[in-house]
Amino acid sequence: EAQVTQNPRYLITVTGKKLTVTCSQNMNHEYMSWYRQDPGLGLRQIYYSMNVEATDKGDVPEGYKVSRKEKRNFPLILESPSPNQTSLYFCASRRGPNTGELFFGEGSRLTVL
Amino acid sequence: AQSVTQPDIHITVSEGASLELRCNYSYGATPYLFWYVQSPGQGLQLLLKYFSGDTLVQGIKGFEAEFKRSQSSFNLRKPSVHWSDAAEYFCAVGALGTYKYIFGTGTRLKVLA
Repeated sequence: EAQVTQNPRYLITVTGKKLTVTCSQNMNHEYMSWYRQDPGLGLRQIYYSMNVEATDKGDVPEGYKVSRKEKRNFPLILESPSPNQTSLYFCASRRGPNTGELFFGEGSRLTVL
Repeated sequence: AQSVTQPDIHITVSEGASLELRCNYSYGATPYLFWYVQSPGQGLQLLLKYFSGDTLVQGIKGFEAEFKRSQSSFNLRKPSVHWSDAAEYFCAVGALGTYKYIFGTGTRLKVLA
């Protein structure tokens, strides 16, 4: 089954404790992206990756890091989480720039105390 | 500036009634337009998309949308709403050959029995 898998789905952590949210897709997609969803703000792009070893900032990259060492994986790293990073995070993928549909994971709800 | 506006934050309709969700966009290039639905606790799922051609597009679950270039709109419609349609709906715009993908802030639909 074609899917985007995120882990963990739920996480409560404390300020400053490094964490990683993993994302994996099994569709051989070139493009992957991270979004955060906050009430009233919709989805805002954090980082995206055009292919292996090719990443770029989205609209709200501060406080986040990403890497793309393998095509299927695109982890999101919070080196020193802060309460303003409490949010619902989505990973998404698609074949490439000329294709439209994004395939989303089920989301990771992060709370930073 | 590129933007997507969904003017209605919340909409409530009775089951069996018709539905129209509004979406306006501002985009310099020829846009690709999308509607996604997010059920509670789930990721986003594509309802329909417009790339070119017929300006009235059909999607899943009985939804349709009409692209009106002169009004920069891409409104989502359904003739008869079912209780299971209660969800949040996002309009999004992208462009051929780019990685940019902008989401609206969403419209939350409530369906009364």
